Amino acid sequence: AQKVTQAQTEISVVEKEDVTLDCVYETRDTTYYLFWYKQPPSGELVFLIRRNSFDEQNEISGRYSWNFQKSTSSFNFTITASQVVDSAVYFCAPSSGGYNKLIFGAGTRLAVHP
Amino acid sequence: GAVVSQHPSRVICKSGTSVKIECRSLDFQATTMFWYRQFPKQSLMLMATSNEGSKATYEQGVEKDKFLINHASLTLSTLTVTSAHPEDSSFYICSAPYEDRDFGEQFFGPGTRLTVL
Repeated sequence: AQKVTQAQTEISVVEKEDVTLDCVYETRDTTYYLFWYKQPPSGELVFLIRRNSFDEQNEISGRYSWNFQKSTSSFNFTITASQVVDSAVYFCAPSSGGYNKLIFGAGTRLAVHP
Repeated sequence: GAVVSQHPSRVICKSGTSVKIECRSLDFQATTMFWYRQFPKQSLMLMATSNEGSKATYEQGVEKDKFLINHASLTLSTLTVTSAHPEDSSFYICSAPYEDRDFGEQFFGPGTRLTVL
């Protein structure tokens, strides 16, 4: 079965620190997609990034970057120069079976303090 | 970007009653929608896949007779929690993929918080 592990339950940092959120997944699919979502206290999920399994090029988008290592089934997400508004729960979600079906990790609660 | 709405945003009901939650894709059509449930401080658990014009596909352990799903049009899916009990109290979230040639990016509704007394 698909499985997603976000080992970090909670992370607390001071503003302007860089923070990396870890994600390790298991999948039987040969082709799949990987997502990161953010859930602020309001509850609404916010899309952050998407990556497909056949493209391991890592990129930077503003303060966000990600490190996808297919060989180790890891898809880590980094926020550079964190801000208080980044405080939220972050979910890693690989696709499962049909492309549109997502399986969510347990989430990592990030608290950024001024 | 595409928008998915949910109604109601909050509902409180008495034990034994049924509650209907609507999920609408506002500016795109969705042949498939997904329903998730999230308990406090926990992850989103996929409940079922709603398919327009056909029966929903339920995840293992989800009672299909308790959580009725109807996807009657390309922009509307409904989830009815029948004979609700306090343990059904949760945050219910729907999503709809915006289907293009690549993987359909999922758009999530704002969620519905159900409290069963």
